[in-house]
Formats: sequence, C-alpha cells, structure tokens
Amino acid sequence: DGGITQSPKYLFRKEGQNVTLSCEQNLNHDAMYWYRQDPGQGLRLIYYSQIVNDFQKGDIAEGYSVSREKKESFPLTVTSAQKNPTAFYLCASSIVVLGANVLTFGAGSRLTVL
Amino acid sequence: GESVGLHLPTLSVQEGDNSIINCAYSNSASDYFIWYKQESGKGPQFIIDIRSNMDKRQGQRVTVLLNKTVKHLSLQIAATQPGDSAVYFCAEIWNAGKSTFGDGTTLTVKP
Repeated sequence: DGGITQSPKYLFRKEGQNVTLSCEQNLNHDAMYWYRQDPGQGLRLIYYSQIVNDFQKGDIAEGYSVSREKKESFPLTVTSAQKNPTAFYLCASSIVVLGANVLTFGAGSRLTVL
Repeated sequence: GESVGLHLPTLSVQEGDNSIINCAYSNSASDYFIWYKQESGKGPQFIIDIRSNMDKRQGQRVTVLLNKTVKHLSLQIAATQPGDSAVYFCAEIWNAGKSTFGDGTTLTVKP
C-alpha cells in the first residue's frame, strides 16, 4: 500500500539534545512538508521541499533543520535551539496539479521534552 | 448585512442530526479549498475539496459551501454518526500550492 511512514510514533528527549524524526513516502510525490501541531491549534508549516536537494523555510523554521537527499525521504531534526519542542509533528507529501494541492499525511510523531 | 456562520472550536451534535462546521479564510487570492478530518492520534485525511469558481460541492453525506464575498467556507455533514467524531480543518491553497490551515473544530457526536 502506498503511504507515508513516520517514526518514531512517540519520542522523549532531554533538554539540550537534538532529535531526528523520520518521514518516508512511497507515493512518488515530488513535494514533502513538515507541520507542527499544538493542542487546540491548527497546523503550522515548519519546512517544505518541492524537489530533491531543495527545501524552503515555512512559518516556524527556527530551531529545526531538514534534508532532502532522496525523493522518498524528508527527515526533520529538532535542535536544542528550539525553545518549545514538545508537540505533535506531522509529515505530508503531495503532487500539485492545476493549483490543487491535496496533502497526504503520515500518522505523526509525538515529541516530549523532559 | 449577510449572516456568516461563526467558527466554533467545539461542536456537539446528536447522532443522526446534521452538522455544520464553519471556517473563515484570509486570502482572497486563494483558489482552492480542502476540508480535512483528523481522528485522535492520527494525521489529517482529505474529505472534500472545492475550487474558487464553484460555490457548492457535494460528496457522500458531506457538502462544502464557499462564499467568496465574505471569505467563508462551511462543511455540512448529513446524518452525523459516531465515526464522524474528530477534528475538522479547512485549508486554503494559494501561492503555487501552499496550504494554510484554520484552527480546527472538534466535533463530538452524542449517541
């Protein structure tokens, strides 16, 4: 089955540590995205990539980094510079056809900083 | 003046009733809109979409209405079922496919 796989589902981190969240898709989508979701709030865009070896900052990129070395993979690193990293992180992918951009989401990774 | 539905963070309905979830969008240049459903602990899933050249689109038990004059979007769910309980997000798409999400409405269906 085609889809997006995020891992780990749950992750605990001590303050001052970097952590990397994995996102893999087998949908052959060109574009991939990382969103952050806090309780009672909508999704906020962290980073996105429309093509391999290229990515752009979203609305809340500070304290995060990404890479896009392969079409299938778009890992997100939450660095120690992120002041409030505890959140639910969602990865998504899409193709854009005639301005229509339907996102397919993974199941999410919940990060808790102790 | 024209009445516009308010966005509510939570909505509780009786099983079998119809639900209406409202969303105000911000960018008059947005030309494509999507409603997503997010169940607890999962990622959002596509429900229905509508282009800006339409004002209504129907799916199975769901209808989306678009009012561009007041930049308002609504999702109507007919005969709401317990499985419809979830958080519903609207998204507006503009600027070469960039999506902006609303804050979401938590729908609770009472048996």
